[in-house]
Amino acid sequence: QKEVEQNSGPLSVPEGAIASLNCTYSDRVSQSFFWYRQYSGKSPELIMSIYSNGDKEDGRFTAQLNKASQYVSLLIRDSQPSDSATYLCAVNGFTGGGNKLTFGTGTQLKVEL
Amino acid sequence: NAGVTQTPKFQVLKTGQSMTLQCAQDMNHNSMYWYRQDPGMGLRLIYYSASEGTTDKGEVPNGYNVSRLNKREFSLRLESAAPSQTSVYFCASIETGNNQPQHFGDGTRLSIL
Repeated sequence: QKEVEQNSGPLSVPEGAIASLNCTYSDRVSQSFFWYRQYSGKSPELIMSIYSNGDKEDGRFTAQLNKASQYVSLLIRDSQPSDSATYLCAVNGFTGGGNKLTFGTGTQLKVEL
Repeated sequence: NAGVTQTPKFQVLKTGQSMTLQCAQDMNHNSMYWYRQDPGMGLRLIYYSASEGTTDKGEVPNGYNVSRLNKREFSLRLESAAPSQTSVYFCASIETGNNQPQHFGDGTRLSIL
């Protein structure tokens, strides 16, 4: 049974600070990892994808992957109030029958003025 | 450039009524998915279709049926709605190939009284 675990939060950070969101997964054969942002009442929006160990940077966002430790993280630098949302970690283990994502329950981030 | 389109956006049903949620994508994606999202539960996969003509059960298929009408359209049917099926339903599709992210529709908010 694949599992993806996230701290539900809320994680509160002051404006301008670095927000660190963490995710662990149980399936060692997982191949790809995604971070989605979901505003209240809206659909998930892809913000980062990462496939190999190490860091991947895109603007204020950095995804980090450590397959040996089975964790993936998302850092948001210079956090803004508009970053306040729920962040979903998703893990893909291609089964041959289609790409299936397993989602964590999400971490709620609050960026305070 | 609509992406993934879901209809309706909102629906209220009485227990025992039936209805079909519609989903269409214009990105020529092979695989399509139906999720439900409940508070504290994250996104749970109901059914998916790896390609036109195939469908498979996900994590929570009971009480639902699906039809992959053609490559563009993937519908979800509730034959006899129950209050436990009150949820937000998301349709998603994915690009061909391994390790691709999913693209989500705006969701259908379904209440069953």
